[in-house]
Amino acid sequence: QQPVQSPQAVILREGEDAVINCSSSKALYSVHWYRQKHGEAPVFLMILLKGGEQKGHEKISASFNEKKQQSSLYLTASQLSYSGTYFCGTGNTGGFKTIFGAGTRLFVKA
Amino acid sequence: NAGVTQTPKFQVLKTGQSMTLQCAQDMNHNSMYWYRQDPGMGLRLIYYSASEGTTDKGEVPNGYNVSRLNKREFSLRLESAAPSQTSVYFCASSEDRLKYGYTFGSGTRLTVV
Repeated sequence: QQPVQSPQAVILREGEDAVINCSSSKALYSVHWYRQKHGEAPVFLMILLKGGEQKGHEKISASFNEKKQQSSLYLTASQLSYSGTYFCGTGNTGGFKTIFGAGTRLFVKA
Repeated sequence: NAGVTQTPKFQVLKTGQSMTLQCAQDMNHNSMYWYRQDPGMGLRLIYYSASEGTTDKGEVPNGYNVSRLNKREFSLRLESAAPSQTSVYFCASSEDRLKYGYTFGSGTRLTVV
């Protein structure tokens, strides 16, 4: 039931774009996105709910495709501060259990 | 504004020993959670408390117990620690998880030898 994230890791140069995908084998109700820097706690980025397709701002945004049971996180014009591990967390109902993917490690170099 | 506070930050236990991980939040959140994080496996839910006075099992509850002491505090107990419980443990809380997601504490790094 754990969602599958791809790619597992990505290396970017400053200013490049990245897409991180999160796929579930079950119908999705909600998708959370978090960023975790090494040795720190995960930090909430955004949540998308069933019925909502796109969210975020110019630099970091996400989409939710209910039919494909997947969400994608878009990082535009990456900055050094974007480096870290990105996790998606999925909920199949409106309940309290959020199941997280294994994470995507992103490294942005100058 | 402390957010979610976890103690201790680091702990080494011998196999068979018991201990309690403490978590407190000062944001007046109703729901609280315990996750463990292992390399390559992401965050796995151990137990959660939807509101004061209630607790429920998550994905990996075996070997753990929890207590929701009051609205602020949610503790995790290992009765007889095993090497497989070596992990980083995160406590989290939420005001409305479908709007604001979770606020995580800084974690407890536990090693069982």
